[in-house]
Amino acid sequence: GAGVSQSPSNKVTEKGKDVELRCDPISGHTALYWYRQSLGQGLEFLIYFQGNSAPDKSGLPSDRFSAERTGGSVSTLTIQRTQQEDSAVYLCASSTLAGGKETQYFGPGTRLLVL
Amino acid sequence: EDQVTQSPEALRLQEGESSSLNCSYTVSGLRGLFWYRQDPGKGPEFLFTLYSAGEEKEKERLKATLTKKESFLHITAPKPEDSATYLCAVQAAGTYKYIFGTGTRLKVLA
Repeated sequence: GAGVSQSPSNKVTEKGKDVELRCDPISGHTALYWYRQSLGQGLEFLIYFQGNSAPDKSGLPSDRFSAERTGGSVSTLTIQRTQQEDSAVYLCASSTLAGGKETQYFGPGTRLLVL
Repeated sequence: EDQVTQSPEALRLQEGESSSLNCSYTVSGLRGLFWYRQDPGKGPEFLFTLYSAGEEKEKERLKATLTKKESFLHITAPKPEDSATYLCAVQAAGTYKYIFGTGTRLKVLA
């Protein structure tokens, strides 16, 4: 079956522009995570969606970042007024619980470069 | 504070030279410890989940073990195709957040 997909795979933008990053999770997966991976850094948690519950936005670094998940499936991460420090790989993962055990499946990521 | 530290940062091995990667963790109650493999330009690929001290999992040349403070990823007779970054993450009991280490970059030379 299809895995997690993300688009675009690469995005180059100018400082101050807004960008939207898309994630299509595995069908039937109720949980969806967004992470940021900067060079030499571990994956940084950004936001978590679980079913119809309110998302956990505690990892979003500033109010320029927002995310939504429509219909419990596709998610969009929006970065407004991009800054050079936003340059990173943005990874999406989806997961489901089976017998109380969770496994995350990652997409290929979107590489964002802010000039 | 929940924390994950991986060592070494980078490791070069000759083909067939077995070794181990370390993941030390501090967490307020472990729900699970996860190992991933990440190839350049790709997202992490799930390898193993360990839930309790003493547990072991194996897959081909890889074996993961877990104690109350750390996990090891043992690589037996590695091949060049095992070259990748190996990531470790923990999930604390009662939460869904994953805390990731910075990874070990493994290079296996033919």
